Amino acid sequence: GEDVEQSLFLSVREGDSSVINCTYTDSSSTYLYWYKQEPGAGLQLLTYIFSNMDMKQDQRLTVLLNKKDKHLSLRIADTQTGDSAIYFCAAGGRFSGGYQKVTFGIGTKLQVIP
Amino acid sequence: KAGVTQTPRYLIKTRGQQVTLSCSPISGHRSVSWYQQTPGQGLQFLFEYFSETQRNKGNFPGRFSGRQFSNSRSEMNVSTLELGDSALYLCASSPGLAGGRNEQFFGPGTRLTVL
Repeated sequence: GEDVEQSLFLSVREGDSSVINCTYTDSSSTYLYWYKQEPGAGLQLLTYIFSNMDMKQDQRLTVLLNKKDKHLSLRIADTQTGDSAIYFCAAGGRFSGGYQKVTFGIGTKLQVIP
Repeated sequence: KAGVTQTPRYLIKTRGQQVTLSCSPISGHRSVSWYQQTPGQGLQFLFEYFSETQRNKGNFPGRFSGRQFSNSRSEMNVSTLELGDSALYLCASSPGLAGGRNEQFFGPGTRLTVL
């Protein structure tokens, strides 16, 4: 089945850019997602990218997709202390029985140092 | 639309007991997935239910089980609790239909502590 891998921890200084990386295994993944989890809360969808795109920008967030290498990244510009959270990559993999199963990575904890 | 709700939010149990957690999906969503989140292991998929049938299953022992009712509400049960079952249990709902995105909407989770 689909595997989604991401590193567990990233530390950046306030004002710097953060880049969170993710790799996935299923080349037929059509939708790729980034979720954010703040302390004590569930996961919230930040953004998603369709597999026929290689970049998507939304204010301070930039998603880059390298389909050949099955690599996804999330860049947060001008990182703020409020961005401290766990970020999850998820891949909508192969359609099975007509629906798309979404597989999550284990989450990257972003620590922003003031 | 109301979001995904999970009850209870916090639970303390002792080893050997069993526990039942509940999840009410977004109205109209037919798929409910359950996840276990721990600091050491991150987010791990337990199972998914769609139209009262288990459609996908993760790699957890048989002590973890679930069900879904005709109104799409879902429960998960953990029997013979172990210390290592202490975790945040997250439920996510999605339309679960064929084609298109299958974006997951998460509830706030149930924090289970096993003493």
